[in-house]
Amino acid sequence: LAKTTQPISMDSYEGQEVNITCSHNNIATNDYITWYQQFPSQGPRFIIQGYKTKVTNEVASLFIPADRKSSTLSLPRVSLSDTAVYYCLVLNTDKLIFGTGTRLQVFP
Amino acid sequence: GAVVSQHPSWVICKSGTSVKIECRSLDFQATTMFWYRQFPKQSLMLMATSNEGSKATYEQGVEKDKFLINHASLTLSTLTVTSAHPEDSSFYICSARLPNLAGKYNEQFFGPGTRLTVL
Repeated sequence: LAKTTQPISMDSYEGQEVNITCSHNNIATNDYITWYQQFPSQGPRFIIQGYKTKVTNEVASLFIPADRKSSTLSLPRVSLSDTAVYYCLVLNTDKLIFGTGTRLQVFP
Repeated sequence: GAVVSQHPSWVICKSGTSVKIECRSLDFQATTMFWYRQFPKQSLMLMATSNEGSKATYEQGVEKDKFLINHASLTLSTLTVTSAHPEDSSFYICSARLPNLAGKYNEQFFGPGTRLTVL
């Protein structure tokens, strides 16, 4: 399973765009890049998944360069309720192996 | 999206007792469910894969005799922490996988978690 590296923490203010980058240098051809969000004392929640280029949904965008060795989760105009831990996962099986995640703190 | 529930949401027990945690997929059938454990300020750690109608597959380092998993139906998996000790106090989370959909791979839905405190 490809190992992922992402910043331990990030701070932002309400209304700003937040970009969280994840490195996955050993990503395999069959791997998909998936991001989950977790609030304190709750189970994680799926945010977005992609294989290459750009994926956008109602919550976030995911940018994946051609070499797929990294990916960037973009959260537009964050609010206080976006304060959470964001996990980047690279997978091609059922098993989700969570890394340390990025703790995003949004300030008023 | 699909809903996964857990019961109880929290439990306090005495050392040496056993505790059962239930994980249910409410609006879909899940042939595979997963159990995780999470300590404060740490990431989720996969404990085992629960397969309906067969034995669970445990991750390395997880004691199968201590963490008993039963997946008796397509909507229910249970995790029993046997002879619990204070070091077993943790946040236990389950997840269930939907069948692979076009454009998605292994999207999983997580339960709200169960906080176990062993005194």
